[in-house]
Amino acid sequence: GAVVSQHPSRVICKSGTSVKIECRSLDFQATTMFWYRQFPKQSLMLMATSNEGSKATYEQGVEKDKFLINHASLTLSTLTVTSAHPEDSSFYICSAKASGSMPQYFGPGTRLTVL
Amino acid sequence: RKEVEQDPGPFNVPEGATVAFNCTYSNSASQSFFWYRQDCRKEPKLLMSVYSSGNEDGRFTAQLNRASQYISLLIRDSKLSDSATYLCVVNTNDMRFGAGTRLTVKP
Repeated sequence: GAVVSQHPSRVICKSGTSVKIECRSLDFQATTMFWYRQFPKQSLMLMATSNEGSKATYEQGVEKDKFLINHASLTLSTLTVTSAHPEDSSFYICSAKASGSMPQYFGPGTRLTVL
Repeated sequence: RKEVEQDPGPFNVPEGATVAFNCTYSNSASQSFFWYRQDCRKEPKLLMSVYSSGNEDGRFTAQLNRASQYISLLIRDSKLSDSATYLCVVNTNDMRFGAGTRLTVKP
């Protein structure tokens, strides 16, 4: 299957700092990228959908000013968690999709711990 | 009603058993369908696409019934390594995930 990378894989930061997570599609052009969050023993929760060159569409309850998403190219999307707090600690996973009815391919995830 | 609903599980089966998961979706305009598996503390990985005619990949068989808006996954001769959470995914204008069904295969 297609390859999606995510960086960093793990980050520990102090409360109040901002954290940037990168998601790259390595062998295909991703017209759409998705950002998810998953708490332990819970389902994936879609945070936002982004299309290259346009603003992200956020799911209800997700603060767009706190979770900044940039999808500047067909192979790169970034998620910045601004002024992180302990309750933001979670597993953040990106995925990328080529077009139409193609499946999504997921990055390996970023485990964020905010102290 | 949720857009994608799955058997809640968990399923605990012995090695060698046959196990089936079901999934229903609410939007009749859905275009494509997939099964993913997710191991603990890992990202979901595509297991197989689901086609209208049904499709098989080794021990795994997926079926789609558009009239009933129903998808299934059958695992034959289950292995310990099949233990995971299985996610039903439906693509309409975007991808919608079921909550997942946890499978544990025991020796």
